[in-house]
Amino acid sequence: SYDLTQPPSVSVSPGQTARITCSGDGLPRIYSNWYQQKAGQAPMLVIYEDTERPSGIPERFSGSSSGTTVTLTISGVQAEDEADYYCQSADSTGRYVLFGGGTKLTVL
Amino acid sequence: EVQLEESGGGLVQPGGSLTLSCAVSGFSVSSKYMTWVRQAPGKGLEWVSLLYSNADTYYGDSVKGRFTISRDNSKDTLYLQMSRLRVDDTAVYYCARVSMVRGRGYFDYWGRGTLVTVSS
Repeated sequence: SYDLTQPPSVSVSPGQTARITCSGDGLPRIYSNWYQQKAGQAPMLVIYEDTERPSGIPERFSGSSSGTTVTLTISGVQAEDEADYYCQSADSTGRYVLFGGGTKLTVL
Repeated sequence: EVQLEESGGGLVQPGGSLTLSCAVSGFSVSSKYMTWVRQAPGKGLEWVSLLYSNADTYYGDSVKGRFTISRDNSKDTLYLQMSRLRVDDTAVYYCARVSMVRGRGYFDYWGRGTLVTVSS
């Protein structure tokens, strides 16, 4: 298995672009998903399979992958985007799920 | 409409047992992979267990040998039997549906969670 590493916090002003990274040695071979969790709520899927956006998720959310790092980008950040964000992947068998430690996005 | 609703949380003493339920609607629990994820107070998400549609089961290292995931197809309900509970099992437990694309899974629907507190 391997670890997924995220920065503890990211801060941006409204309208700016937020980038949240997730690093892990296994990422080039597997995939990543991203979840948003607002205070007091259950997590919600915002990106799957590195770059795909579920229906209903605003276009300002996008995902990318390069080497051992995947990135969640939120363009034109809005106050409602303030939340914790978690990356998620799995080992090579897909039977052992991994979560990153989470990143708190603060909208200044 | 897909919905998941957990129940069964509560206060239990260390060493005790508890069974969580997750009632689903809008799909059949037998047709999808299902998972449990937990979140200790003020902490991040931790994967607990995975149940394949063929009934294969998988567990995180911290719960292996103590927790058992199962389902009742007739009731469209997922379960998590927890035994030998420890103080560090205290968390909100979420059930989630797993969807697969090209062999890759993601958790597309989540319940609201149920709180388990392990304390004497």
